[in-house]
Amino acid sequence: GESVGLHLPTLSVQEGDNSIINCAYSNSASDYFIWYKQESGKGPQFIIDIRSNMDKRQGQRVTVLLNKTVKHLSLQIAATQPGDSAVYFCAENTGNQFYFGTGTSLTVIP
Amino acid sequence: DGGITQSPKYLFRKEGQNVTLSCEQNLNHDAMYWYRQDPGQGLRLIYYSQIVNDFQKGDIAEGYSVSREKKESFPLTVTSAQKNPTAFYLCASTLSWGGTEAFFGQGTRLTVV
Repeated sequence: GESVGLHLPTLSVQEGDNSIINCAYSNSASDYFIWYKQESGKGPQFIIDIRSNMDKRQGQRVTVLLNKTVKHLSLQIAATQPGDSAVYFCAENTGNQFYFGTGTSLTVIP
Repeated sequence: DGGITQSPKYLFRKEGQNVTLSCEQNLNHDAMYWYRQDPGQGLRLIYYSQIVNDFQKGDIAEGYSVSREKKESFPLTVTSAQKNPTAFYLCASTLSWGGTEAFFGQGTRLTVV
């Protein structure tokens, strides 16, 4: 999984499979988390968010899970499609500032 | 459509030159941010502005300057004091400081030639 400052990890999945991207956050005071998708040469796009009073949130084909005990966040993408290929990174917000992970590069194999 | 517009998309700077990156938003957001993105690293905060006519240094402000004279505009100047300016620069905004979802522009890629 990703964490601030580490090398960019990569994940390759077959089209149609589910993808799981992980993120370890560091600040136990963080109360809001976002997953972003960034395509090459473009700005990050919001995917899904979750507050610290929740442990799971679902969107269209995406689910975010939050485990506050171990400070871990994951993004699950169902039925991964070629258009999902991008860098995905998490962001934590302490109510004061955002802190961003380095990202995971997802490649979908047709 | 509301959003954030960064320009130009690509920018080339000669050694010793100052260049200014534009960031405009029509989301009526109070807070705006500038981040720098380098390969294999997370976004690093350069400057932020909580409200018009106010701005604060972020984690890597040296060699950069900003202004916030209008709510919708937050230009970033990369000065000659910035020794390694080649990077992808991202502007973002939130409804308020410490607010929730950050909206990003499409970025400006700056290259020193």
